[in-house]
Amino acid sequence: GENVEQHPSTLSVQEGDSAVIKCTYSDSASNYFPWYKQELGKRPQLIIDIRSNVGEKKDQRIAVTLNKTAKHFSLHITETQPEDSAVYFCAASTGNNNDMRFGAGTRLTVKP
Amino acid sequence: DAGVTQSPTHLIKTRGQQVTLRCSPKSGHDTVSWYQQALGQGPQFIFQYYEEEERQRGNFPDRFSGHQFPNYSSELNVNALLLGDSALYLCASSLVSRRNAYNEQFFGPGTRLTVL
Repeated sequence: GENVEQHPSTLSVQEGDSAVIKCTYSDSASNYFPWYKQELGKRPQLIIDIRSNVGEKKDQRIAVTLNKTAKHFSLHITETQPEDSAVYFCAASTGNNNDMRFGAGTRLTVKP
Repeated sequence: DAGVTQSPTHLIKTRGQQVTLRCSPKSGHDTVSWYQQALGQGPQFIFQYYEEEERQRGNFPDRFSGHQFPNYSSELNVNALLLGDSALYLCASSLVSRRNAYNEQFFGPGTRLTVL
């Protein structure tokens, strides 16, 4: 089955700096890669996703890149703000949410 | 338009007991997936229900079972509870695309289960 690894486990940046979180996956059949933000005590919220037919996607300060050959994808947050502080999870699946596998999470802290 | 709801919010059980958790999907969604999230970990896929049948299952023992009702709501049952079953149980709903294209998955607030 799919195995998703996520790095780093913790990340601390200064407000205004950029943050990058990286994930690798093992199943070449995976074709959907969402990123979730989970604040303490709350549900995971989808912040951006990318499909395997696209190499990069951007939404304001957030961008995701995908390298299918190397089986890795990354989340980029620019101009970080204290409210970006949360745990971020990457995930991979083969469509229709079947067997979606999550990374272990990255705790991002943005210092004001 | 109600989002995904789960009940109860919190639950305390003792080892060996059985528990049932409930999930109502977002309006218009027909698929429910269940996840177990241990403290400090990412969600682990338990299984997914579509058209009242289990479509896919993760690496969880048979003590974990589920059901989906005609109105698309779902239940997760766990028998013979172990201390290690203590976790946040999340359900997520989505709409299955006829062309097998991926559709966004919405999570419920979760049920925090504590096994003593």
